[in-house]
Amino acid sequence: DIQMTQSPSSLSASVGDRVTITCRASQSIRIYLNWYQQKPGKAPKLLIYSASSLQSGVPSRFSGSGSGTDFTLTISSLQPEDFATYYCQQSYNTPRTFGQGTKLEIK
Amino acid sequence: QVQLVQSGAEVKKPGASVTVSCKASGYTFTGYGISWVRQAPGQGLEWMGWISVYNGDTNYAQKFRGRVTLTTDTSTSTAFMELRSLNSDDTAVYYCTRDPDGNTDFDYWGQGTLVTVSA
Repeated sequence: DIQMTQSPSSLSASVGDRVTITCRASQSIRIYLNWYQQKPGKAPKLLIYSASSLQSGVPSRFSGSGSGTDFTLTISSLQPEDFATYYCQQSYNTPRTFGQGTKLEIK
Repeated sequence: QVQLVQSGAEVKKPGASVTVSCKASGYTFTGYGISWVRQAPGQGLEWMGWISVYNGDTNYAQKFRGRVTLTTDTSTSTAFMELRSLNSDDTAVYYCTRDPDGNTDFDYWGQGTLVTVSA
């Protein structure tokens, strides 16, 4: 199975900050990497697919980059509604695997 | 708009089985597959398996093979996940997700169904 490792596991930031979350795969997954946002008690929501494509309806302050084994999710200017847990997920092969999550908290 | 609406919470005893349903609307049901993902309390996300609604092909995570069965009913646009021989480690929220071909992202999610396994 492909292991996905996110860093950091948690992060404190302020409204307006620029934030970057990283995700590393245990082997090359080309660009088959997706990012999700999950708020407490809610289902995850797709933000970014294929490493850098913005899902319809997602604000442009979210962006993704990377290929191979190293990927990043960037939020250019944090908004109050962005405080949540973020997961990366590889769709290169099965089983599809997720990172352990990054909890983004208000400083 | 695309919606996946799941059945309600369940409480089961160890060794029992549970079936969770997921009713789709707002898109052509047979044009997409369905994956199931679970999340134990306070934990991360775990993919369980995928079913092609078009032809019934399935792909299960090795961890669940032999214990989970995914099916669909195209007449009611509903997907089902049956998990057998439940134990306390199966206590989790179970999500259905729209998954076009079993090889991409999960673009729409159900609201989740909490399954509690307790003696």
